[in-house]
Amino acid sequence: KAGVTQTPRYLIKTRGQQVTLSCSPISGHRSVSWYQQTPGQGLQFLFEYFSETQRNKGNFPGRFSGRQFSNSRSEMNVSTLELGDSALYLCASSSNRQGRSGELFFGEGSRLTVL
Amino acid sequence: AQSVAQPEDQVNVAEGNPLTVKCTYSVSGNPYLFWYVQYPNRGLQFLLKYITGDNLVKGSYGFEAEFNKSQTSFHLKKPSALVSDSALYFCAVRDMRDSSYKLIFGSGTRLLVRP
Repeated sequence: KAGVTQTPRYLIKTRGQQVTLSCSPISGHRSVSWYQQTPGQGLQFLFEYFSETQRNKGNFPGRFSGRQFSNSRSEMNVSTLELGDSALYLCASSSNRQGRSGELFFGEGSRLTVL
Repeated sequence: AQSVAQPEDQVNVAEGNPLTVKCTYSVSGNPYLFWYVQYPNRGLQFLLKYITGDNLVKGSYGFEAEFNKSQTSFHLKKPSALVSDSALYFCAVRDMRDSSYKLIFGSGTRLLVRP
């Protein structure tokens, strides 16, 4: 079974640009979550989508947005990039078969560098 | 508010010795507790989880964790450390009452196993 796939793995942008990151969950998983990982703030929850609906949202500015498609694939977008947005962005999927006790399965991440 | 504390930034242990990585948590309701491991430039890998029942949980790669409700702790243990266990370890919590799969992560503990 293929794992969670994130693209691109690495990207470099300049301040003010926007970026879109993609995530393909494990087949059959309907929940997709996004996390930002930085050395200073650690792992922070961005948002979670379940069956195309945003089910929870972290404490990030409106420049951070996401969506989920009918095939459960998800994208997140960051507009007007700032230097502080440089981070590893991790996507995770989960199956609802174990209820909310189920673990998250993470992708390898997309490393964004903002210059 | 939910929170997770990992009091040690780094744990050093000799190969073959037992290891413990500490975690304490705070949630309003009953917790689901998780441990994840991250190798350099990789995503997070699930190690084990506590849902309910036996306080000693066994997971992948010989790791186990002990849930202590009175001390609100969920320490990760392994009887005999391997050099290949060297990595970054994260403790995470989810409130059972949360309708989403959102996890709150600790700051991480770097485990260094010396030969």
